[in-house]
Amino acid sequence: GAVVSQHPSWVICKSGTSVKIECRSLDFQATTMFWYRQFPKQSLMLMATSNEGSKATYEQGVEKDKFLINHASLTLSTLTVTSAHPEDSSFYICSPKRGDYGYTFGSGTRLTVV
Amino acid sequence: GENVEQHPSTLSVQEGDSAVIKCTYSDSASNYFPWYKQELGKRPQLIIDIRSNVGEKKDQRIAVTLNKTAKHFSLHITETQPEDSAVYFCAASYYNQGGKLIFGQGTELSVKP
Repeated sequence: GAVVSQHPSWVICKSGTSVKIECRSLDFQATTMFWYRQFPKQSLMLMATSNEGSKATYEQGVEKDKFLINHASLTLSTLTVTSAHPEDSSFYICSPKRGDYGYTFGSGTRLTVV
Repeated sequence: GENVEQHPSTLSVQEGDSAVIKCTYSDSASNYFPWYKQELGKRPQLIIDIRSNVGEKKDQRIAVTLNKTAKHFSLHITETQPEDSAVYFCAASYYNQGGKLIFGQGTELSVKP
């Protein structure tokens, strides 16, 4: 159990465009979704926390108007990087939470902005 | 704010030796402490975890200890093998903040044959 699908696995986009990353929990319902960003040779940095049907809570320093999070259902959350710039190039990982201790992770999305 | 400090950042051991990675956390309300192994470009893989009501947990060659008073926890890998080479992350769950998981900085473990 606890299968998570994250798409796309990699994407290249032009500077100024938007990119949407989708995360689905295939066999469980995730009441809470976390989104992380990981730069090369660095740790996973929490960007935001979202609960189904509620607005996301963003960590300090993360622009909520740039990183749009939608948690429309218990099995689907999306992260949209708007007006992407080269400095947004990173590895983005979703983390649907299952119960109190069930932290799961998507396979990640490698975003390259050119 | 929430913070998890992890040391060392790099660790090199000979095959068969033990490896120890240490982490400290800032919030005494943290109640869950997982350890992950991550290979390049992959998702983190849970290798062992411990809850705040337990002081030690072992799974074959891997063990984790927790000292709630000092707010630190450690990963112990015995009889290391070359395939143990990877980046390891500790994390702490902040129960009072929606259970968000904060990661340490990571330790790059290299096991030399």
